[in-house]
Amino acid sequence: GNSVTQMEGPVTLSEEAFLTINCTYTATGYPSLFWYVQYPGEGLQLLLKATKADDKGSNKGFEATYRKETTSFHLEKGSVQVSDSAVYFCALSDRGGADGLTFGKGTHLIIQP
Amino acid sequence: DTAVSQTPKYLVTQMGNDKSIKCEQNLGHDTMYWYKQDSKKFLKIMFSYNNKELIINETVPNRFSPKSPDKAHLNLHINSLELGDSAVYFCASSQQSNQPQHFGDGTRLSIL
Repeated sequence: GNSVTQMEGPVTLSEEAFLTINCTYTATGYPSLFWYVQYPGEGLQLLLKATKADDKGSNKGFEATYRKETTSFHLEKGSVQVSDSAVYFCALSDRGGADGLTFGKGTHLIIQP
Repeated sequence: DTAVSQTPKYLVTQMGNDKSIKCEQNLGHDTMYWYKQDSKKFLKIMFSYNNKELIINETVPNRFSPKSPDKAHLNLHINSLELGDSAVYFCASSQQSNQPQHFGDGTRLSIL
């Protein structure tokens, strides 16, 4: 079956630090990959996506590259802000989305001023 | 203007009761979903509907019954609530099943 593995949190960084949140996946097909963000008390928002190998998704300074050879989709940001504090979920959609989204367990990111 | 709206936002009730959570999307999407998020923030798909037809039904107890009166609505009815049903339930929608999903703000269900 499909699965997504993310680094365990919480991850605590100082403002302006470089961020990496690791994500690896296993899938039976050729999945689309997503990062979603959940701010406190809110639903999930799509942060970025990639649908094929070597695609780079980017949004709000965040980037992630679809690496088929390492089955990874690591999230990066060059300089984090306090407002980036949230829970980040890596997810995949396989078989044309027929199975819905498979999520990782989420990484709680805390940015300190 | 809310794209995916769920009601109620909070639901506190006693074990054994029956309750419903409503979901509506105004995006014109064809596919709607229900997810359960447990206390450790883990999200798992429960159901998926495409144009009012069920396409995913994960290993969810029969006490949970989704109902889609039209493609803009997917309601979740839960019978005989149990302590383990306490969670945040999220509704989502997408244009097609392989497109990014838009989520509601969630319904926090607490069973006393």
